[in-house]
Amino acid sequence: ELKVEQNPLFLSMQEGKNYTIYCNYSTTSDRLYWYRQDPGKSLESLFVLLSNGAVKQEGRLMASLDTKARLSTLHITAAVHDLSATYFCAGPPGGGATNKLIFGTGTLLAVQP
Amino acid sequence: NAGVTQTPKFRVLKTGQSMTLLCAQDMNHEYMYWYRQDPGMGLRLIHYSVGEGTTAKGEVPDGYNVSRLKKQNFLLGLESAAPSQTSVYFCASTHTAGYNEQFFGPGTRLTVL
Repeated sequence: ELKVEQNPLFLSMQEGKNYTIYCNYSTTSDRLYWYRQDPGKSLESLFVLLSNGAVKQEGRLMASLDTKARLSTLHITAAVHDLSATYFCAGPPGGGATNKLIFGTGTLLAVQP
Repeated sequence: NAGVTQTPKFRVLKTGQSMTLLCAQDMNHEYMYWYRQDPGMGLRLIHYSVGEGTTAKGEVPDGYNVSRLKKQNFLLGLESAAPSQTSVYFCASTHTAGYNEQFFGPGTRLTVL
């Protein structure tokens, strides 16, 4: 079954810097999801990547999907404190039309002033 | 629209007690899911439902039961709570078998003493 691995697990970065979070998954998948979770809050959908080569951008965040490499990236440009949160990637485990998701363990992002 | 709501928000149980968590959605979604979130482990799927009257097991179903008597509600039951079930529980829903992302409720923080 699908396994989803994120790295790094914890990322401390300064405001204004750029960085990338990586999401590797173990089996073929045609789509990949990114979510954001603020401390003590629920999960909010950020991006849905539906095909190889898909790229989506929202503000300072840009996500991409390479299905051949089984890799998705979440790139942060010129980080600001408001981006501090935990970011999860998730993918479908395969088989059946249930929209089930397998989540990575999350990347805790702390943006320091 | 309220989206996905969960009741209660917090609960403390003693070992062996039972309880039911309620999830309700007003988006007419067919699919609903129950997850638990534990530190360092991301979200893990407990049970899910692809429609009224249907339920299925996820990754970690042991110790939990579910029911979906009405399309808008998905109940998660703990018959005999154990300390290992201390966690934050999230409900989510989505409306088709396609590529739509899951929408999450605010979560229930459960402590079992």
